Amino acid sequence: GAGVSQSPSNKVTEKGKDVELRCDPISGHTALYWYRQSLGQGLEFLIYFQGNSAPDKSGLPSDRFSAERTGGSVSTLTIQRTQQEDSAVYLCASSPLAGGDTQYFGPGTRLTVL
Amino acid sequence: KQEVTQIPAALSVPEGENLVLNCSFTDSAIYNLQWFRQDPGKGLTSLLLIQSSQREQTSGRLNASLDKSSGRSTLYIAASQPGDSATYLCAVRLNTGTASKLTFGTGTRLQVTL
Repeated sequence: GAGVSQSPSNKVTEKGKDVELRCDPISGHTALYWYRQSLGQGLEFLIYFQGNSAPDKSGLPSDRFSAERTGGSVSTLTIQRTQQEDSAVYLCASSPLAGGDTQYFGPGTRLTVL
Repeated sequence: KQEVTQIPAALSVPEGENLVLNCSFTDSAIYNLQWFRQDPGKGLTSLLLIQSSQREQTSGRLNASLDKSSGRSTLYIAASQPGDSATYLCAVRLNTGTASKLTFGTGTRLQVTL
């Protein structure tokens, strides 16, 4: 496909379980971003990958959150020991270059922690 | 810390009206500003991107302006249509080195009625 894809589209888990969310960016895009959209709180930045540089993890809310990007393409966001406050829509975006270019967003993964 | 505010939070207009959405940001040292629309249950679609050196951008019935010194941007929608109903988000990227993360406003939910 031509756009950013994310899987799963919906995930329901029990408190304390680990979850993995996947993002496939647009082919050839070097920059990849993860954001979280919580009800009533808007979108917040989580982490940013650019090529082979060290990722910008400044937005990760706790050490239960981690992300990796393998081979400069697919990225996985992992949340360990999930809590109810982790419930949100997790959005991934990619752009062809760092900085000024438009970010293209995927449809998101809706995570519900019971 | 950059803060982005959008007014109004919600807006309902009859079809055919012209309307203006407002976005303000506290740190004027931005690299660019982007307007997105988000449809329920879907990701974000980029509408317009304005670089810090630009004053406005136009795409079809949409016109976005930027006044960096006063920390404001407006999105003008001409001859609104029911299909314009969505949440509109503005986002700024700070001009700080390689930091490419976007800071989002909380959005304006627009409903265009028949």
